[in-house]
Parts: sequence; C-alpha cells; structure tokens
Amino acid sequence: DAGVIQSPRHEVTEMGQEVTLRCKPISGHDYLFWYRQTMMRGLELLIYFNNNVPIDDSGMPEDRFSAKMPNASFSTLKIQPSEPRDSAVYFCASSLGGATDTQYFGPGTRLTVL
Amino acid sequence: AQKITQTQPGMFVQEKEAVTLDCTYDTSDQSYGLFWYKQPSSGEMIFLIYQGSYDEQNATEGRYSLNFQKARKSANLVISASQLGDSAMYFCAMREGIDMRFGAGTRLTVKP
Repeated sequence: DAGVIQSPRHEVTEMGQEVTLRCKPISGHDYLFWYRQTMMRGLELLIYFNNNVPIDDSGMPEDRFSAKMPNASFSTLKIQPSEPRDSAVYFCASSLGGATDTQYFGPGTRLTVL
Repeated sequence: AQKITQTQPGMFVQEKEAVTLDCTYDTSDQSYGLFWYKQPSSGEMIFLIYQGSYDEQNATEGRYSLNFQKARKSANLVISASQLGDSAMYFCAMREGIDMRFGAGTRLTVKP
C-alpha cells in the first residue's frame, strides 16, 4: 500500500505569494494531521481532521494559514500571503483512529519563502 | 509545559555496539501511547516502534526495543548492533488523546 503522499516535495516562492501544499492520506485512515518543523520550534501540530472534519486548528499560527479536507483522500494547507518566516518543512500524517494509533508521516514539503 | 523530554542533543556510538536514547514524559492520563520516529538526513519521518501505556512487556521491532518504565515515566529507545545507516535524528513522541507531542530529538551518529 502507498504511504502518505505529499506534493510538492520542494517549493520556493516569493513573499506575498499564495502557497498550496497537498496531501493524500493512507486509504482507510480516519485522521489527518498537518505539522510544521523548524529548527527553532521543532515539530508543531497545526491542525487535524477526523473524517474530513477539522477538529482542532489551535496550532495554526495565523489567519494566513488555512486547511481543507474536501474528501477522505485529499487535504490542502494553504498560506496566503506567504512570508519568509513560514519557511519550514510541512508534514502531513495520517492514522487509523484513536489515541494510541500510530501516525504515519508523508515525506514532507520543504517550503522556502524568499 | 514540556511533555516530552529528550536530554541528549547528540549521541555517538561505535558501529555494531548498542546505544540507548533517553526519553521521559509527563502525563496524568492512564491511557497513552509512546512512539519513536527516525528522521534521516533526507528528511522523512519514519515510524520505528510503539508502546502502549497498558502494555506490560517492552515493545521490540527487530534491532529496536523500547525500555518502558512506567513509574519513572521513561521510554528509552535501545538500538542494538548499530549500523552506519542508523545515523539520524530520533524523536520520542507521546500521544494522549488525538494529538501527538514530540521531543526535541537526539542526533545519533554511528562511527565506523
């Protein structure tokens, strides 16, 4: 089975541009998570979905960030407008279910905002 | 409040030797899961091993084992017979409820 798929793997953009990151979770997984990893702050949970419904977006840093999950096999994380401090690796992860289920990560998207 | 603590920013081990990476956690929940992930220089996060809070036996996965001491709230990762390919960042994580909290990581370097 395919793991979590993310695209693009690398994104370089200029400040002020809109950036859209994409994720396809593992088929059958009910939970989807978006994380951001930086040297300064480590891995941070941004938002997670259960059965396509956003449950907790308290980790989303600003209104410039938004996430959607229109169906069970696709999610997007959008930054508009992007800023240099948004440069980071963004991971998508999915899990089958509840509290003790393993989260499987995608390969990540390395975002650079110039 | 910091929930996952990895006190070793960096560790070195000789090839073929065993190494222990430390992890302590803080929770008042009875049900939780403990995880270790490996992040090589290529950047992906690779799941290694899982320990449930109610599991009485330490988890093992090949060369990886988790030394779970519930009373001390520690979940150390033991890698036996280290290989050069084990050089990477290692993250301890705890899942209580739905979200997962990660430690700051330990960078392991395996020397030939």
